[in-house]
Amino acid sequence: QQQVKQSPQSLIVQKGGISIINCAYENTAFDYFPWYQQFPGKGPALLIAIRPDVSEKKEGRFTISFNKSAKQFSLHIMDSQPGDSATYFCAARGGYQKVTFGIGTKLQVIP
Amino acid sequence: DGGITQSPKYLFRKEGQNVTLSCEQNLNHDAMYWYRQDPGQGLRLIYYSQIVNDFQKGDIAEGYSVSREKKESFPLTVTSAQKNPTAFYLCASSIATGANYGYTFGSGTRLTVV
Repeated sequence: QQQVKQSPQSLIVQKGGISIINCAYENTAFDYFPWYQQFPGKGPALLIAIRPDVSEKKEGRFTISFNKSAKQFSLHIMDSQPGDSATYFCAARGGYQKVTFGIGTKLQVIP
Repeated sequence: DGGITQSPKYLFRKEGQNVTLSCEQNLNHDAMYWYRQDPGQGLRLIYYSQIVNDFQKGDIAEGYSVSREKKESFPLTVTSAQKNPTAFYLCASSIATGANYGYTFGSGTRLTVV
């Protein structure tokens, strides 16, 4: 049972463009929604996160949009750069700090 | 610098052999987790521990075992009962309750069956 559905699984964006990754969740008890960035051969690193009582959070070029009624949230990467090429995971936290991850999106930013 | 150290980085297992993956953290985090990463399947939770001497099964615990004798350490044993152990294994830690902090991950151990 996939509690956090993520799409697309792969994404190619031109340098300077906007990268958009979407996620949807089912469990209304989730209370924290982080995004992680992972480079090949490394562990994921926390990128940005949002609580469900906030509709948008921006940190630099990264923005999370959150729609509580639709149970959807998305990551926007503005002015995408080749250094942003990585795998991105959305996630949702439930009880006992347990985090459920999406399947991941492999982003490639081409010059 | 505080962080999580996983060792070894690469590990090879023979059929029928048990192997243990090490995970050590110096972040003073209460909670620790083991995830398995396979291509196209994201990260799946194997075991987690909120406190010393206590741990819980995650979604795919069969064929794995853990211990939590010290706050800093959460080793994972991949037993011979795990029929498809080849994967990238990630250890993580977090503050157990309260504040909105994400996980801190180690750099992973890549396990291959030979």
